[in-house]
Amino acid sequence: DAGVIQSPRHEVTEMGQEVTLRCKPISGHDYLFWYRQTMMRGLELLIYFNNNVPIDDSGMPEDRFSAKMPNASFSTLKIQPSEPRDSAVYFCASNGDRAATGELFFGEGSRLTVL
Amino acid sequence: GENVEQHPSTLSVQEGDSAVIKCTYSDSASNYFPWYKQELGKRPQLIIDIRSNVGEKKDQRIAVTLNKTAKHFSLHITETQPEDSAVYFCAASRGLRAAGNKLTFGGGTRVLVKP
Repeated sequence: DAGVIQSPRHEVTEMGQEVTLRCKPISGHDYLFWYRQTMMRGLELLIYFNNNVPIDDSGMPEDRFSAKMPNASFSTLKIQPSEPRDSAVYFCASNGDRAATGELFFGEGSRLTVL
Repeated sequence: GENVEQHPSTLSVQEGDSAVIKCTYSDSASNYFPWYKQELGKRPQLIIDIRSNVGEKKDQRIAVTLNKTAKHFSLHITETQPEDSAVYFCAASRGLRAAGNKLTFGGGTRVLVKP
C-alpha cells in the first residue's frame, strides 16, 4: 500500500479564498482523522470519521471549517473563507480495527499558508 | 476530555548520553500510550507504544515506562545518536476498540543530539 496520500503538499492562498485539502486513507482502514499542527498548539485533532461517518468534530475551530468523507477512500477538509491564522500543516491519518496495533498512519501533510 | 502534558519542550544532549521525556495524562480510562517521532519536515511516525497492562517496554535503545496510578509515562533513549534528533510526541487514548484509537497528543519535545 502507498500509505496515506494527501494533496496538495503545499498551498499558498490569499485571505478570503476557499481551500480544499484532500486525503486518501490506507485501504481497509475504517478510521480517518484530520489533525492540524502549529508551533503554538502542537498536534490538534480536528475531526475523525468511522466508516465514512463523522464521529467527533469538536476540534473543528469554527464554521469556516468543514470535512466530508463521501466514500471509504476519500476525504476532504475545506476552509471557507480562509484566514492567516489558519496557516498550519494539516495531517490526515488512518487506522482500523483490522490493524489491531493501534498505530496511526499519517500522510505527508499539507502545508497551508494564508497571506 | 483527555489532556496530555509533556516535558521538557526542548532537550539537548551529548551524543552517547541518555534522554528522558515525561508525560502526564488526565483521563483515567486511557489505556494506550504511544510515542511518535517527527523528523524535520516529515510526518509523525510511531516508534514505540505501551498498553496499560504493562509497566515497561523496551525496543533496542528506546524504552517506555508507565505508572497508571500516578498517570504518567516516560520515554527513555539510551546511547543517543545524531539521527535521534527530532521532535517526539507522547499521546494517550482509550484504545482501538473505543473510538478508533482517538489520540490526544502532548505538546512535543524537540531533542537535539550534539555530536
